[in-house]
Amino acid sequence: NAGVTQTPKFRVLKTGQSMTLLCAQDMNHEYMYWYRQDPGMGLRLIHYSVGEGTTAKGEVPDGYNVSRLKKQNFLLGLESAAPSQTSVYFCASSYFANSPLHFGNGTRLTVT
Amino acid sequence: DQQVKQNSPSLSVQEGRISILNCDYTNSMFDYFLWYKKYPAEGPTFLISISSIKDKNEDGRFTVFLNKSAKHLSLHIVPSQPGDSAVYFCAASELSQTGANNLFFGTGTRLTVIP
Repeated sequence: NAGVTQTPKFRVLKTGQSMTLLCAQDMNHEYMYWYRQDPGMGLRLIHYSVGEGTTAKGEVPDGYNVSRLKKQNFLLGLESAAPSQTSVYFCASSYFANSPLHFGNGTRLTVT
Repeated sequence: DQQVKQNSPSLSVQEGRISILNCDYTNSMFDYFLWYKKYPAEGPTFLISISSIKDKNEDGRFTVFLNKSAKHLSLHIVPSQPGDSAVYFCAASELSQTGANNLFFGTGTRLTVIP
């Protein structure tokens, strides 16, 4: 049982480039989330989804887009990367709205 | 402004002793609180939670205490073991209008258990 899988694990981008981070979960969870973690700060919610075909903004959504075309996948896109988006990105999922989140192992993104 | 605060960036404890990690929050609407543990190069893993209708929840060596009037919670680990060495994140939940679990995280406390 893989749980929550994030790809890639590491990525270096130049300012202005675009990329997509993929999150896949095999637990049949309805809810999926994207967080970012920066030094000296807690994890902050970027976007989330309450089911296939739905997305919503979290605390820090600017500069990111998401899609949930399939229940098991949640994609995070950066259309024009900026150095401020250098961070570690975590995807998470949960079955119920108020149940503990299961996290992936993160993607370390550096934007130069 | 940070709604969940962990004011101690680090804590060192001798093996076998009690570890106490603290967390404060500012939003009185939070009604569900969790602790996550994180090892390097891994994602956070759920440790223990507590609902606002309780003031204590216990799971083996781990106990979480909630003081709603003080907006404070703490995690007790007894006895502490070297394998407990990790970063511990406190998180608080406020269900959004869509029912999603919007978790707000503290900045984490790095616990080191000395053998």
